[in-house]
Amino acid sequence: QSALTQPASVSGSAGQSITISCTGTTSDVGGYNLVSWYQLHPGKAPKLMIYEGTKRPSGVSDRFSGSKSGNTASLTISGLQADDEGDYYCCSYAGSGTVIFGGGTQLTVL
Amino acid sequence: QVQLVQSGAEVKQPGASVKISCKSSENIFTPYAMHWVRQAPGQRLEWMGWINFGNAKTKYSQNFQGRVTFTRDTAATTGYMDLSSLRSEDTAIYYCARWRTGEFDYWGQGTLVTVSS
Repeated sequence: QSALTQPASVSGSAGQSITISCTGTTSDVGGYNLVSWYQLHPGKAPKLMIYEGTKRPSGVSDRFSGSKSGNTASLTISGLQADDEGDYYCCSYAGSGTVIFGGGTQLTVL
Repeated sequence: QVQLVQSGAEVKQPGASVKISCKSSENIFTPYAMHWVRQAPGQRLEWMGWINFGNAKTKYSQNFQGRVTFTRDTAATTGYMDLSSLRSEDTAIYYCARWRTGEFDYWGQGTLVTVSS
């Protein structure tokens, strides 16, 4: 599999909630509890937002939450804010020491 | 605050090689691995592989097998990524990152490599 499947773009108004899905297979997302999510802003290093599917690193707002069901993981951002805009990537361990990323989702805050 | 500092931007001709360094301000890679990830313009993040700082074991993505080599200098807490036979499609920002227990928790600032004649 070349990449996990994410929607190319999502949008929401400030204050609303959005969810980004990430679909893989039993060889990656469904086979391991090792899905992580990253926020990318131009010119900056990617930022870890969620790890092990549901856990938030210290310093990440509790407006960000993660979940997983079967072969699909999801990132939910509640109370959208302007600086949430950017690209979001899911990532999963895929066995045998390999890692796979999603295709990326561009979030627009209206 | 831990920082991963990568070497500066490079411009290379097709067919050449490039070597990028990634220095950690602290020894955070033992016993973890330094991974390399790239993002071509307008494209998704692409995983390239890793090197274990403890034993120098490497794992390469099949997409780069034979063209990429990872090395490390543990005393200098620095990792290196060498990519050969460059082509225009290798134009990208290259990142180093630490894989902790299932996630990339520290990232370098990225190094832009431009392949152009």
